[in-house]
Amino acid sequence: RKEVEQDPGPFNVPEGATVAFNCTYSNSASQSFFWYRQDCRKEPKLLMSVYSSGNEDGRFTAQLNRASQYISLLIRDSKLSDSATYLCVVTGGGADGLTFGKGTHLIIQP
Amino acid sequence: ETGVTQTPRHLVMGMTNKKSLKCEQHLGHNAMYWYKQSAKKPLELMFVYSLEERVENNSVPSRFSPECPNSSHLFLHLHTLQPEDSALYLCASSQGLAGGIKQETQYFGPGTRLLVL
Repeated sequence: RKEVEQDPGPFNVPEGATVAFNCTYSNSASQSFFWYRQDCRKEPKLLMSVYSSGNEDGRFTAQLNRASQYISLLIRDSKLSDSATYLCVVTGGGADGLTFGKGTHLIIQP
Repeated sequence: ETGVTQTPRHLVMGMTNKKSLKCEQHLGHNAMYWYKQSAKKPLELMFVYSLEERVENNSVPSRFSPECPNSSHLFLHLHTLQPEDSALYLCASSQGLAGGIKQETQYFGPGTRLLVL
């Protein structure tokens, strides 16, 4: 059974701090990896895709570790607006391989 | 802002009712999806359509019946639901079929919050 595991949190982090969380996946044949963001009572929206070499988008950095089967998300200089649930998405093996994690709840405190 | 719309946004129905959820995407995408999101559970993929053909049915009970009349519209017909079917039902679309090696971004609608009494 394909599974994606995330620490549900909540992570309570002061504004301006750096926060990181991981997501582990069980299917070694997984091919594509994403981080989505979901605000309270809203739909998920793509935050960033995760590439093998790692990628950065402003304050956000995503890494992939295929050997240990996890992806990570690092947020630097956190803002109040970063408070949300971050969903890990792993795909592979066709449409039935679309698997979401339960999400990590992040709260940025002033 | 979103190119994917869903109606209704909220729905309360009895177990003997029949209702339909509607999704429309204005992005020119070829693939559409239905997801179920329950409290404290991950998003569950229910159905996948690519170019109006169903490509995936993840062991969803027959009381949920999808319909894709064209590449822009997706319906989820509901009948004789159970209280445990109460959840947020999200529709999504993507340019190509997600799940493979290509990084296909999915765009979600706002969802229909369903309560079954």
